[in-house]
Amino acid sequence: GAVVSQHPSRVICKSGTSVKIECRSLDFQATTMFWYRQFPKQSLMLMATSNEGSKATYEQGVEKDKFLINHASLTLSTLTVTSAHPEDSSFYICSANERGGNQETQYFGPGTRLLVL
Amino acid sequence: KQEVTQIPAALSVPEGENLVLNCSFTDSAIYNLQWFRQDPGKGLTSLLLIQSSQREQTSGRLNASLDKSSGRSTLYIAASQPGDSATYLCAVSRISSSNTGKLIFGQGTTLQVKP
Repeated sequence: GAVVSQHPSRVICKSGTSVKIECRSLDFQATTMFWYRQFPKQSLMLMATSNEGSKATYEQGVEKDKFLINHASLTLSTLTVTSAHPEDSSFYICSANERGGNQETQYFGPGTRLLVL
Repeated sequence: KQEVTQIPAALSVPEGENLVLNCSFTDSAIYNLQWFRQDPGKGLTSLLLIQSSQREQTSGRLNASLDKSSGRSTLYIAASQPGDSATYLCAVSRISSSNTGKLIFGQGTTLQVKP
Protein backbone atom coordinates (compact mmCIF):
# COMPACT_ATOMS: atom_id res chain seq x y z
CA GLY A 1 0.00 0.00 0.00
CA ALA A 2 0.92 3.65 -0.34
CA VAL A 3 3.19 4.79 2.46
CA VAL A 4 4.02 8.31 3.52
CA SER A 5 6.86 9.02 5.91
CA GLN A 6 7.79 12.09 7.88
CA HIS A 7 11.10 13.09 9.35
CA PRO A 8 11.78 13.84 12.08
CA SER A 9 9.06 12.24 14.15
CA ARG A 10 9.79 14.55 17.05
CA VAL A 11 11.83 17.72 17.36
CA ILE A 12 12.59 20.11 20.18
CA CYS A 13 14.11 23.46 19.35
CA LYS A 14 14.82 26.82 20.90
CA SER A 15 12.67 29.83 20.21
CA GLY A 16 13.88 31.77 17.17
CA THR A 17 15.38 28.84 15.31
CA SER A 18 14.04 27.30 12.11
CA VAL A 19 12.89 23.71 11.80
CA LYS A 20 12.50 21.67 8.61
CA ILE A 21 10.06 18.77 8.38
CA GLU A 22 10.20 16.34 5.48
CA CYS A 23 7.29 14.45 3.98
CA ARG A 24 8.05 11.63 1.56
CA SER A 25 5.89 9.29 -0.47
CA LEU A 26 7.86 6.06 -0.33
CA ASP A 27 6.33 3.87 -3.00
CA PHE A 28 4.34 6.23 -5.17
CA GLN A 29 4.54 9.60 -6.85
CA ALA A 30 2.46 12.28 -5.20
CA THR A 31 0.49 14.70 -7.33
CA THR A 32 -0.36 16.88 -4.40
CA MET A 33 0.81 17.04 -0.82
CA PHE A 34 -1.06 18.64 2.05
CA TRP A 35 0.20 19.99 5.35
CA TYR A 36 -1.98 19.96 8.45
CA ARG A 37 -1.48 21.19 11.99
CA GLN A 38 -3.12 19.63 15.02
CA PHE A 39 -3.13 21.23 18.45
CA PRO A 40 -3.73 19.04 21.53
CA LYS A 41 -7.28 17.73 21.72
CA GLN A 42 -8.19 19.64 18.59
CA SER A 43 -8.82 18.69 15.02
CA LEU A 44 -6.53 18.79 12.03
CA MET A 45 -6.41 22.16 10.30
CA LEU A 46 -5.24 22.35 6.71
CA MET A 47 -2.33 24.77 6.40
CA ALA A 48 -1.41 24.54 2.75
CA THR A 49 -1.59 22.51 -0.41
CA SER A 50 1.49 21.98 -2.54
CA ASN A 51 1.92 20.67 -6.06
CA GLU A 52 5.25 19.55 -7.43
CA GLY A 53 7.09 22.36 -9.14
CA SER A 54 4.67 25.12 -8.23
CA LYS A 55 4.06 27.45 -5.32
CA ALA A 56 2.04 26.22 -2.41
CA THR A 57 -1.49 27.46 -1.80
CA TYR A 58 -1.94 28.59 1.78
CA GLU A 59 -5.16 28.57 3.74
CA GLN A 60 -6.51 31.78 5.16
CA GLY A 61 -4.67 32.86 8.27
CA VAL A 62 -1.54 30.82 7.59
CA GLU A 63 1.57 32.97 7.12
CA LYS A 64 3.42 31.83 4.03
CA ASP A 65 6.62 33.57 5.10
CA LYS A 66 6.61 31.73 8.39
CA PHE A 67 5.68 28.30 7.06
CA LEU A 68 7.80 27.77 3.96
CA ILE A 69 6.77 24.87 1.78
CA ASN A 70 8.95 23.40 -0.94
CA HIS A 71 7.71 20.61 -3.19
CA ALA A 72 10.81 19.90 -5.22
CA SER A 73 9.92 16.45 -6.50
CA LEU A 74 7.00 14.08 -6.87
CA THR A 75 8.06 12.25 -3.72
CA LEU A 76 9.20 14.99 -1.36
CA SER A 77 7.68 18.06 0.23
CA THR A 78 9.26 20.04 3.04
CA LEU A 79 7.74 22.39 5.59
CA THR A 80 10.08 24.85 7.27
CA VAL A 81 8.88 26.64 10.36
CA THR A 82 10.95 29.81 10.39
CA SER A 83 11.80 31.66 13.60
CA ALA A 84 9.78 29.21 15.61
CA HIS A 85 8.02 30.35 18.77
CA PRO A 86 6.37 28.37 21.57
CA GLU A 87 2.94 28.93 20.02
CA ASP A 88 4.14 26.99 16.97
CA SER A 89 4.43 23.88 19.11
CA SER A 90 2.04 21.42 17.55
CA PHE A 91 1.65 18.12 15.73
CA TYR A 92 2.29 18.56 12.01
CA ILE A 93 0.91 15.95 9.62
CA CYS A 94 1.32 15.67 5.88
CA SER A 95 -0.71 13.72 3.38
CA ALA A 96 -0.43 12.95 -0.32
CA ASN A 97 -2.55 12.03 -3.32
CA GLU A 98 -1.15 9.34 -5.58
CA ARG A 99 -0.36 10.40 -9.14
CA GLY A 100 -2.75 8.59 -11.43
CA GLY A 101 -4.65 7.19 -8.51
CA ASN A 102 -7.92 8.03 -6.84
CA GLN A 103 -7.65 11.73 -6.10
CA GLU A 104 -10.16 11.35 -3.30
CA THR A 105 -7.73 9.25 -1.31
CA GLN A 106 -5.13 10.94 0.85
CA TYR A 107 -2.39 8.90 2.45
CA PHE A 108 -1.28 10.38 5.75
CA GLY A 109 2.14 10.46 7.28
CA PRO A 110 2.75 9.54 10.93
CA GLY A 111 3.16 13.15 11.98
CA THR A 112 5.93 15.28 13.48
CA ARG A 113 5.64 16.64 16.98
CA LEU A 114 7.31 20.03 17.34
CA LEU A 115 8.08 21.52 20.72
CA VAL A 116 9.51 25.03 20.79
CA LEU A 117 11.06 26.06 24.09
CA LYS B 1 -17.95 28.44 6.02
CA GLN B 2 -18.10 24.69 6.50
CA GLU B 3 -17.97 23.52 10.09
CA VAL B 4 -17.79 19.92 11.20
CA THR B 5 -18.86 18.87 14.69
CA GLN B 6 -18.50 15.50 16.35
CA ILE B 7 -20.45 14.29 19.34
CA PRO B 8 -19.57 13.00 21.86
CA ALA B 9 -16.03 14.29 22.37
CA ALA B 10 -15.20 11.21 24.41
CA LEU B 11 -16.82 7.85 24.97
CA SER B 12 -16.00 4.92 27.23
CA VAL B 13 -17.76 1.60 26.80
CA PRO B 14 -17.28 -1.99 27.94
CA GLU B 15 -16.03 -4.50 25.44
CA GLY B 16 -18.71 -6.01 23.23
CA GLU B 17 -21.02 -3.03 23.10
CA ASN B 18 -22.33 -1.62 19.87
CA LEU B 19 -21.83 2.11 19.61
CA VAL B 20 -22.56 5.11 17.40
CA LEU B 21 -20.40 8.13 16.76
CA ASN B 22 -21.99 11.24 15.33
CA CYS B 23 -20.75 13.83 12.88
CA SER B 24 -22.60 16.89 11.61
CA PHE B 25 -21.66 19.48 9.02
CA THR B 26 -23.15 22.87 8.28
CA ASP B 27 -22.89 23.00 4.48
CA SER B 28 -24.49 20.09 2.64
CA ALA B 29 -22.56 20.87 -0.57
CA ILE B 30 -19.90 18.25 0.03
CA TYR B 31 -18.06 15.99 -2.38
CA ASN B 32 -17.63 13.14 0.04
CA LEU B 33 -17.30 12.32 3.72
CA GLN B 34 -14.64 10.18 5.30
CA TRP B 35 -14.10 8.58 8.68
CA PHE B 36 -10.56 8.22 9.96
CA ARG B 37 -8.94 6.58 12.93
CA GLN B 38 -6.04 8.20 14.78
CA ASP B 39 -4.04 6.42 17.45
CA PRO B 40 -2.28 8.59 20.07
CA GLY B 41 0.62 10.52 18.57
CA LYS B 42 0.15 8.88 15.19
CA GLY B 43 -1.10 9.77 11.74
CA LEU B 44 -4.50 8.95 10.27
CA THR B 45 -5.87 5.75 8.84
CA SER B 46 -8.83 6.00 6.49
CA LEU B 47 -11.72 3.76 7.54
CA LEU B 48 -14.60 4.54 5.22
CA LEU B 49 -15.34 7.00 2.42
CA ILE B 50 -18.91 7.84 1.42
CA GLN B 51 -19.59 9.66 -1.80
CA SER B 52 -22.16 12.45 -1.64
CA SER B 53 -24.53 10.31 -3.74
CA GLN B 54 -24.26 7.34 -1.39
CA ARG B 55 -26.14 6.59 1.81
CA GLU B 56 -23.78 4.24 3.55
CA GLN B 57 -20.59 2.20 3.42
CA THR B 58 -19.59 -0.89 5.34
CA SER B 59 -16.28 -2.45 6.22
CA GLY B 60 -16.22 -5.35 8.63
CA ARG B 61 -17.68 -4.23 11.95
CA LEU B 62 -17.91 -0.63 10.79
CA ASN B 63 -20.85 0.97 9.06
CA ALA B 64 -21.01 4.64 8.13
CA SER B 65 -24.15 6.39 7.00
CA LEU B 66 -24.61 9.74 5.33
CA ASP B 67 -27.65 12.01 5.23
CA LYS B 68 -26.42 14.91 3.18
CA SER B 69 -29.65 16.90 3.30
CA SER B 70 -29.60 17.03 7.09
CA GLY B 71 -25.84 17.37 7.30
CA ARG B 72 -25.26 14.24 9.35
CA SER B 73 -23.18 11.11 9.34
CA THR B 74 -22.89 8.30 11.84
CA LEU B 75 -20.23 5.68 12.36
CA TYR B 76 -21.56 2.48 13.83
CA ILE B 77 -19.11 0.09 15.46
CA ALA B 78 -20.45 -3.37 16.22
CA ALA B 79 -19.17 -5.60 19.00
CA SER B 80 -16.50 -3.14 20.12
CA GLN B 81 -13.07 -4.43 21.12
CA PRO B 82 -10.24 -2.89 23.19
CA GLY B 83 -8.28 -2.57 19.96
CA ASP B 84 -10.91 -0.13 18.71
CA SER B 85 -9.74 2.40 21.30
CA ALA B 86 -8.59 5.46 19.37
CA THR B 87 -9.77 8.87 18.22
CA TYR B 88 -12.23 8.80 15.34
CA LEU B 89 -12.32 11.78 13.01
CA CYS B 90 -14.80 12.60 10.34
CA ALA B 91 -13.92 14.90 7.48
CA VAL B 92 -15.80 16.38 4.55
CA SER B 93 -14.28 17.45 1.29
CA ARG B 94 -15.26 20.53 -0.65
CA ILE B 95 -17.54 20.12 -3.59
CA SER B 96 -15.30 21.40 -6.40
CA SER B 97 -13.60 18.48 -8.12
CA SER B 98 -10.40 20.47 -8.26
CA ASN B 99 -10.54 20.78 -4.50
CA THR B 100 -11.45 17.25 -3.62
CA GLY B 101 -8.26 16.90 -1.68
CA LYS B 102 -9.16 19.63 0.81
CA LEU B 103 -10.58 18.02 3.90
CA ILE B 104 -12.33 19.78 6.75
CA PHE B 105 -12.11 17.78 9.93
CA GLY B 106 -14.24 17.52 13.03
CA GLN B 107 -12.58 17.56 16.42
CA GLY B 108 -12.91 13.84 16.86
CA THR B 109 -14.43 11.41 19.31
CA THR B 110 -11.98 9.66 21.60
CA LEU B 111 -13.17 6.13 22.22
CA GLN B 112 -12.04 3.87 25.02
CA VAL B 113 -13.20 0.27 25.02
CA LYS B 114 -12.60 -1.40 28.35
CA PRO B 115 -11.85 -5.13 28.54
